[in-house]
Amino acid sequence: AQKVTQAQTEISVVEKEDVTLDCVYETRDTTYYLFWYKQPPSGELVFLIRRNSFDEQNEISGRYSWNFQKSTSSFNFTITASQVVDSAVYFCALSNTGNQFYFGTGTSLTVIP
Amino acid sequence: SQTIHQWPATLVQPVGSPLSLECTVEGTSNPNLYWYRQAAGRGLQLLFYSVGIGQISSEVPQNLSASRPQDRQFILSSKKLLLSDSGFYLCAWNQGIRNTEAFFGQGTRLTVV
Repeated sequence: AQKVTQAQTEISVVEKEDVTLDCVYETRDTTYYLFWYKQPPSGELVFLIRRNSFDEQNEISGRYSWNFQKSTSSFNFTITASQVVDSAVYFCALSNTGNQFYFGTGTSLTVIP
Repeated sequence: SQTIHQWPATLVQPVGSPLSLECTVEGTSNPNLYWYRQAAGRGLQLLFYSVGIGQISSEVPQNLSASRPQDRQFILSSKKLLLSDSGFYLCAWNQGIRNTEAFFGQGTRLTVV
């Protein structure tokens, strides 16, 4: 069975603080894909990153960085120097070879100016 | 470039009335198509997905049905809406062969009264 757990329901940080959003996944597949999405107040989900199970290299994109660790089945997302525009709900997701996407319950991030 | 259109953006319907939400994708062929529902303050629940015309997989038994009459058209329907059908409905697509990321429409906020 596939499962994604985002234990942090809500997080509040003050602007310019760093924040890490946790994601833990479960799967028996050896080939799988992990994703992060951002859902701003408008509601549309915006794709941020995709990682396959064979690529554990961490990635940095501007203020965003992702830490993929197969040993702990985690795919955590860090925002450095947070800004008010980062306020949104963030979803972690898992996709298997069957092309079904399994989403976590999301973490609501509020950045306080 | 590929685009996804979903309409209407908002909908208020009485209990017992029918429902039809439409989603179309442009700029690609043979996409995988998905319908998700997001209840207020909760995560995304996969309702249906389709890998081809006339091929529909249902994830959760419920009051809804889906159809794919054309390659890039995905329709979510109900014959009689229930109060519990209220929520935010999202259509998504991806190019499934390579397990690419899914791209989402802007969503339909359905309120059943």
